[in-house]
Amino acid sequence: EAGVAQSPRYKIIEKRQSVAFWCNPISGHATLYWYQQILGQGPKLLIQFQNNGVVDDSQLPKDRFSAERLKGVDSTLKIQPAKLEDSAVYLCASSPRGVLNTEAFFGQGTRLTVV
Amino acid sequence: QQQVKQSPQSLIVQKGGISIINCAYENTAFDYFPWYQQFPGKGPALLIAIRPDVSEKKEGRFTISFNKSAKQFSLHIMDSQPGDSATYFCAASGQTGANNLFFGTGTRLTVIP
Repeated sequence: EAGVAQSPRYKIIEKRQSVAFWCNPISGHATLYWYQQILGQGPKLLIQFQNNGVVDDSQLPKDRFSAERLKGVDSTLKIQPAKLEDSAVYLCASSPRGVLNTEAFFGQGTRLTVV
Repeated sequence: QQQVKQSPQSLIVQKGGISIINCAYENTAFDYFPWYQQFPGKGPALLIAIRPDVSEKKEGRFTISFNKSAKQFSLHIMDSQPGDSATYFCAASGQTGANNLFFGTGTRLTVIP
């Protein structure tokens, strides 16, 4: 079974620039999450999708972050404009449809450095 | 607000020893408590998980102890090996509302030969 795919693996941008991350979840997984993991901290949820609908985006800084999941499969997370404090690893995870409290499978993440 | 508090921040254990990591939570709506293991450059991977209807769950060398009244749970790694050196995160989620995971701050475990 293929895992959660993310790209790019690394990205360095200047502050005020924009950046986009891509995620392809495990086939058949209806739930998709984007987490932000700042160095030395645990992952923090940014947004959760169920199919192509948003379930929870309460922690997403909507003035600069946006995410979409077209057709309920792949997802993109965008930051515009980036700030220095956005430097972090952005993790995508997916879990099976309709099953609460089950394993979330994580991708390797995209390490973003804002300079 | 940190929903799940984790300690210690770092831990050094001799090979063959027992590693113990502790977590505490406040939200009584949480009913799923997983532990994730993360190696450098990798995403977190589920190690073991427990639900509050049992007080202990064991899988190989890994054991979760759960104390519902104290709202605490811990991970015990028996016979710790150098290959166990990684960062460990406890997490919690609940059935009400979005079932997203709230993670602890992580424990960096180093097992020395």
